[in-house]
Amino acid sequence: AQSVTQLGSHVSVSEGALVLLRCNYSSSVPPYLFWYVQYPNQGLQLLLKYTSAATLVKGINGFEAEFKKSETSFHLTKPSAHMSDAAEYFCAVTPNSGNTPLVFGKGTRLSVIA
Amino acid sequence: KAGVTQTPRYLIKTRGQQVTLSCSPISGHRSVSWYQQTPGQGLQFLFEYFSETQRNKGNFPGRFSGRQFSNSRSEMNVSTLELGDSALYLCASSPEAQTNEKLFFGSGTQLSVL
Repeated sequence: AQSVTQLGSHVSVSEGALVLLRCNYSSSVPPYLFWYVQYPNQGLQLLLKYTSAATLVKGINGFEAEFKKSETSFHLTKPSAHMSDAAEYFCAVTPNSGNTPLVFGKGTRLSVIA
Repeated sequence: KAGVTQTPRYLIKTRGQQVTLSCSPISGHRSVSWYQQTPGQGLQFLFEYFSETQRNKGNFPGRFSGRQFSNSRSEMNVSTLELGDSALYLCASSPEAQTNEKLFFGSGTQLSVL
């Protein structure tokens, strides 16, 4: 069975500072990993995905994540936070690209301080 | 291309009532998934439909049901509502192939049970 743990339900950074959102996964098979962002009163938008190709994955809005098998991690980073990055971020895992449902973490709310 | 459309956007019901939520997928998408989002439990998978057939079902009681029509539109129904059913219900659609890699979410229906 797959599971995801997101460390820190709330992260606060200053505008221009590094953003680091942590995600650790548990999977008995090579995982597919995703990061989604949810802005207030909206649905989820895919930021990036790892599907067993390159371990460093670049996504939209300047975000990237690195798959580290030895650490079972898939942390999300952005070099410089912008006010518009304030949102809730979800990490998700699934064992394949097919129709096995995604298992989501509990989410991390990112606040950006001016 | 229009995105995933969920109606209504907000619903208020009382305990014991039933409710039906609607989801229109992106044109050409044949798979529709439903997720429940609550502050305590996060995002939990309800069920997935493909070509009018339920392919996957999450761990929810039988009060939660769904269906998909020939035009791929989907409805989910919750009978005998309980206070704990208050949540944001998200619908996601995807093309026939590679379901998890091409998952697009709607903005959700916010259900409040009083």
